[in-house]
Formats: sequence, structure tokens, C-alpha cells
Amino acid sequence: KQEVTQIPAALSVPEGENLVLNCSFTDSAIYNLQWFRQDPGKGLTSLLLIQSSQREQTSGRLNASLDKSSGRSTLYIAASQPGDSATYLCAVFVDSGYALNFGKGTSLLVTP
Amino acid sequence: DAGVTQSPTHLIKTRGQQVTLRCSPKSGHDTVSWYQQALGQGPQFIFQYYEEEERQRGNFPDRFSGHQFPNYSSELNVNALLLGDSALYLCASSSIDHTRASPLHFGNGTRLTVT
Repeated sequence: KQEVTQIPAALSVPEGENLVLNCSFTDSAIYNLQWFRQDPGKGLTSLLLIQSSQREQTSGRLNASLDKSSGRSTLYIAASQPGDSATYLCAVFVDSGYALNFGKGTSLLVTP
Repeated sequence: DAGVTQSPTHLIKTRGQQVTLRCSPKSGHDTVSWYQQALGQGPQFIFQYYEEEERQRGNFPDRFSGHQFPNYSSELNVNALLLGDSALYLCASSSIDHTRASPLHFGNGTRLTVT
């Protein structure tokens, strides 16, 4: 059974800092890994999707890396802003099946 | 272009009752998945529907059932509600051609409270 873990569970940083969110998964037989953002009481917004054959993806101030063999991914946020405050979720599709396996998320607060 | 829409946004039910949640997928999508997200937890996969058939099911009891209509919209039904069913229920849609290759599109969810 695929287990996805995210560290830290919560993070508070001052505006302008660069930060790293971590995600680990137990089964390296993944199809892809996705990072989502969730604002309080809202649905999920896809941020980045990394296919299993890729090492990283970038979108604006966000960069996600994938080390499939070690079961790790990191989400790097550059020059954080208060508007980045949200919960960030990591999820993987295993090679078989159509269910996304999610971590519990990292709750990020960026203070002005 | 409307994204994934869910209704209602909030719902309060009593233990033992039944509830139906609704989802309309993003235009051009034909596959609908349902997830349950308890407070402070990541979403848990309930099931996925394609061509009006349940394609895959997660580890949820038979009290959870679903349906997909010819227009691709979907319903999630939960019978004999328990206090532990209180959660945010999320619907996600995708195209069968890109079910795992493209990002899922999620609705804003239905917040179910069971008292």
C-alpha cells in the first residue's frame, strides 16, 4: 500500500523567504507525482505534475523535483508572498489504478 | 469555460439519514472521481466512474455508492450516515484519454456535517 508523507506539517515564514516542502512515498512504482494547493474550505488546485520519467518541473516561482528511486519529492517556493499561504498537498498515482494517494499536506503561513 | 461544479456547498444531516451529492465535470471531461477529506487529512479516494460504470473503488463500505449519467455528471450517495462521515467531499474530473497523464481538476467540494 502506497504511503505518502509530508514534512513539515506546518510552516510559518516571513515574506520573501525561499522555502522547501518535502514529500516522501513508500512505493517507487509511480506513474506521476502531483503537487496541489488548497485554500481553507476549498477544493484543490493543481500546481505541478511530474511524470515518473522526469526529474523536475517549474512554474513561475515554483519548482518541484522528483527522485523516484529514493521515493522523494520537494516543492521549492522562491520569494514567498502572503498570497502563498495555503495547504500544499503531494499526491502520487501508482503504476496500476486510477486513485491519487495523498499526503496530509503542509500548512504554510507567510507573514508580511 | 466552467470548471468542476459541485452541489450543495454545505449540508447538515442527522446520523442514520441518507445524502446525495452532485458533481458536473469540466467541459470535455468524461471521467469523474470522488474523494473524502476529513479535517486535517489528505483526500481519500472513494471511487471513479467512466461510461456510467464504477471503474475503481477505494476502501470505503457499501454505504457509499455512486452513479454517472449519460451527460457525464455524477452523484455520490451515502446511506446510514455516521458521525465519522463528516468531511469535505471532493469531485475531480478528467478525460479518459489523459486520466493519469494530466492534472485532475477538482471542484470546491461539499462540506457534509453529520450530527
